[in-house]
Amino acid sequence: DQQVKQNSPSLSVQEGRISILNCDYTNSMFDYFLWYKKYPAEGPTFLISISSIKDKNEDGRFTVFLNKSAKHLSLHIVPSQPGDSAVYFCAASKETSGSRLTFGEGTQLTVNP
Amino acid sequence: GAVVSQHPSRVICKSGTSVKIECRSLDFQATTMFWYRQFPKKSLMLMATSNEGSKATYEQGVEKDKFLINHASLTLSTLTVTSAHPEDSSFYICSARVTNRGDTEAFFGQGTRLTVV
Repeated sequence: DQQVKQNSPSLSVQEGRISILNCDYTNSMFDYFLWYKKYPAEGPTFLISISSIKDKNEDGRFTVFLNKSAKHLSLHIVPSQPGDSAVYFCAASKETSGSRLTFGEGTQLTVNP
Repeated sequence: GAVVSQHPSRVICKSGTSVKIECRSLDFQATTMFWYRQFPKKSLMLMATSNEGSKATYEQGVEKDKFLINHASLTLSTLTVTSAHPEDSSFYICSARVTNRGDTEAFFGQGTRLTVV
């Protein structure tokens, strides 16, 4: 049972444009959501997070939007840079479970120069 | 941010041997660490939760006798893949929660690429 889903395995955008990565979840108990960036043969690197009490969190070029009613979140990267090319994982957790994360399948983002 | 160090980054072993992977929190104490496994083009799958001073909690379908976890101190958790087989070849990643923080952010190690030949 895949509780966190990233339906797009890949996304390709032009440098300078906006990248939008989507994530859906099914477990309404999730109350904390995170995005990680991962390069091959490396561990994930934390990007940005959002609590369920918010609907938006912004950090530089990265903004995460949360739509609780739709159980949907998205990561916006603007402007996109070639160095952003990586696999992006959406993850969710329940506060009571600490940092036990449930990950989506990941989306390979390619930013073309 | 907090640093989690994982060692080795890459290991090749013969079928039937055991391999130990270490996960260390370098600048904080971690009462809880997590071990994940990533298959090619797949998500990270939680294998087990490692608790300092007590037994690990394994996810459904993960063989506890196959994947031995020891969390002997607040800064070190080890995963031992026993009697490794080629199907155990994978990318293993650990993560740790910062004990004194109120949020649920996890910091990840660099990962270990295990190849069993």
